[in-house]
Amino acid sequence: AQSVTQLDSQVPVFEEAPVELRCNYSSSVSVYLFWYVQYPNQGLQLLLKYLSGSTLVKGINGFEAEFNKSQTSFHLRKPSVHISDTAEYFCAVSDGGSNYKLTFGKGTLLTVNP
Amino acid sequence: DGGITQSPKYLFRKEGQNVTLSCEQNLNHDAMYWYRQDPGQGLRLIYYSQIVNDFQKGDIAEGYSVSREKKESFPLTVTSAQKNPTAFYLCASSIAVSGIYEQYFGPGTRLTVT
Repeated sequence: AQSVTQLDSQVPVFEEAPVELRCNYSSSVSVYLFWYVQYPNQGLQLLLKYLSGSTLVKGINGFEAEFNKSQTSFHLRKPSVHISDTAEYFCAVSDGGSNYKLTFGKGTLLTVNP
Repeated sequence: DGGITQSPKYLFRKEGQNVTLSCEQNLNHDAMYWYRQDPGQGLRLIYYSQIVNDFQKGDIAEGYSVSREKKESFPLTVTSAQKNPTAFYLCASSIAVSGIYEQYFGPGTRLTVT
């Protein structure tokens, strides 16, 4: 069975500071990895995904993530955050064999302060 | 505009009543999903359907029921057997592109049962 661990439940940062949201997964098969963002009382929006190929993937809103197979990690980064980035971020994994199902982490609440 | 519609956005019910949450998509996606979201718990899969007239239980199906009579629609019924129904419910849909499923989410329904 797959599992996803988001190591920080809350991350407060100041505006224009860099941020890293950490995600580790466990799976015995090849995986696809996703980061989603959720603004208050809204659905989830896909930020970026890793399917194969380059381990550094770029997404919307200036976010990027790096897939590290040896460390089973998929950390999300942004070099300079804005107030509008305040939201909850979810890491998710699906396995390569039956990838119609996603397993989600518990989420990281990013709060950007002025 | 193509997308996923969930209605209503807020729903209030008395304990002991069944309630049905609506989910409609016009994306022509084959697969549809229902998730439950509680604070600090991430998203947990209730039911999913890969094709019309077929659906499977997810991780927390007890106290819920679904139907998939049309490709566009996947309603969720929260029955009186669900012990703790107050939560935020998210519907999603997906289609395989080159064998990889990417899920798109609706705006959610917040159910409060008192």
